[in-house]
Amino acid sequence: AQSVTQLDSQVPVFEEAPVELRCNYSSSVSVYLFWYVQYPNQGLQLLLKYLSGSTLVKGINGFEAEFNKSQTSFHLRKPSVHISDTAEYFCAVLLYNNNDMRFGAGTRLTVKP
Amino acid sequence: DAGITQSPRHKVTETGTPVTLRCHQTENHRYMYWYRQDPGHGLRLIHYSYGVKDTDKGEVSDGYSVSRSKTEDFLLTLESATSSQTSVYFCAISSGVTGTDTQYFGPGTRLTVL
Repeated sequence: AQSVTQLDSQVPVFEEAPVELRCNYSSSVSVYLFWYVQYPNQGLQLLLKYLSGSTLVKGINGFEAEFNKSQTSFHLRKPSVHISDTAEYFCAVLLYNNNDMRFGAGTRLTVKP
Repeated sequence: DAGITQSPRHKVTETGTPVTLRCHQTENHRYMYWYRQDPGHGLRLIHYSYGVKDTDKGEVSDGYSVSRSKTEDFLLTLESATSSQTSVYFCAISSGVTGTDTQYFGPGTRLTVL
């Protein structure tokens, strides 16, 4: 089965600094990739997804991610973060023709003033 | 926000008691999912449904059962709750033919089993 590793459990960063949240996956077949954000005491909200085509995917709130098949990675980036970006971020992978989405353990992003 | 509600939002129960959590949607989406969220594990799929009376197991289905008698409702039942089932439970829905369409999540139910 597919699996996801988020390499950092916590990422502290100052406001207006760039940030990268790292995600690696393992799968023997082709996959779809997702990033979700969870604000405190809320459900998850989709930031962006990669299904096919361009490997650079742009999402909401200024986030983007790049699919790298050779390195089996899907890192999330934002050039300048805001206090309001403080949240937990989850990477997820879904196999073709499968409904069992696997999530990483999450990365808690804390943006400091 | 997608029209998803979960009830109850919080529940405390004792080991060995049955518990049913309800997910209700107003979007008429085909797919519905139940996940549990635990620290260090992210979200893990318990069961999902691809239509009325059509369900399948996920990664962590042991100890859980589900039912879907109407498009809008997806019930998760713990027949005999255990302390290891203390968790936050999320329902999600998606509309597509496959699971590649966006999943929209409900607000969650915090379950504590004493």
